[in-house]
Amino acid sequence: NAGVTQTPKFQVLKTGQSMTLQCAQDMNHNSMYWYRQDPGMGLRLIYYSASEGTTDKGEVPNGYNVSRLNKREFSLRLESAAPSQTSVYFCASRHGLGETQYFGPGTRLLVL
Amino acid sequence: AQSVTQPDIHITVSEGASLELRCNYSYGATPYLFWYVQSPGQGLQLLLKYFSGDTLVQGIKGFEAEFKRSQSSFNLRKPSVHWSDAAEYFCAVATNNDMRFGAGTRLTVKP
Repeated sequence: NAGVTQTPKFQVLKTGQSMTLQCAQDMNHNSMYWYRQDPGMGLRLIYYSASEGTTDKGEVPNGYNVSRLNKREFSLRLESAAPSQTSVYFCASRHGLGETQYFGPGTRLLVL
Repeated sequence: AQSVTQPDIHITVSEGASLELRCNYSYGATPYLFWYVQSPGQGLQLLLKYFSGDTLVQGIKGFEAEFKRSQSSFNLRKPSVHWSDAAEYFCAVATNNDMRFGAGTRLTVKP
């Protein structure tokens, strides 16, 4: 049971480049989330998908897009990376309200 | 809107001493509250959670937390800290659709 997996683990981009962060969970969870973590700011929600086929903005959605490909997979895309998007990105999933949220190991992104 | 405040950015305690990490939340309904721990370079691991019932919740690694509705608080405690507890701790409140986190408290343990 792998839980929540993320790829890649680390990525360096130049300003203006695009990339997609991949996330998959094997726990049959309904809801999936993308967070970014910056020093002193905790985790901030970028986008979430409450169920397959739906996506919604979180606290800091600007500069990102998401796709809930199926129940297992939820990808995050940066169309034109900016240095301000240098961060650690975490994917998470949970079954429903009040259930434990499980996190992936994170993707460290550096935008030069 | 819901929010979580962790007033202490960094706490240092001696090994064997007691620990209390503070968390205050703002949420209109009955909250679902969580404490997570993050070791350096790692993801987040659940320590404990509160949904309803007994306001004193036991978690893993000897941690406990007490929910106080009147103070909108959910403080994390441990009677005797071990060097391996050095990490960052996050309090969170879950809503219908998402989970909001505090900024975190970094714990340093002195030998």
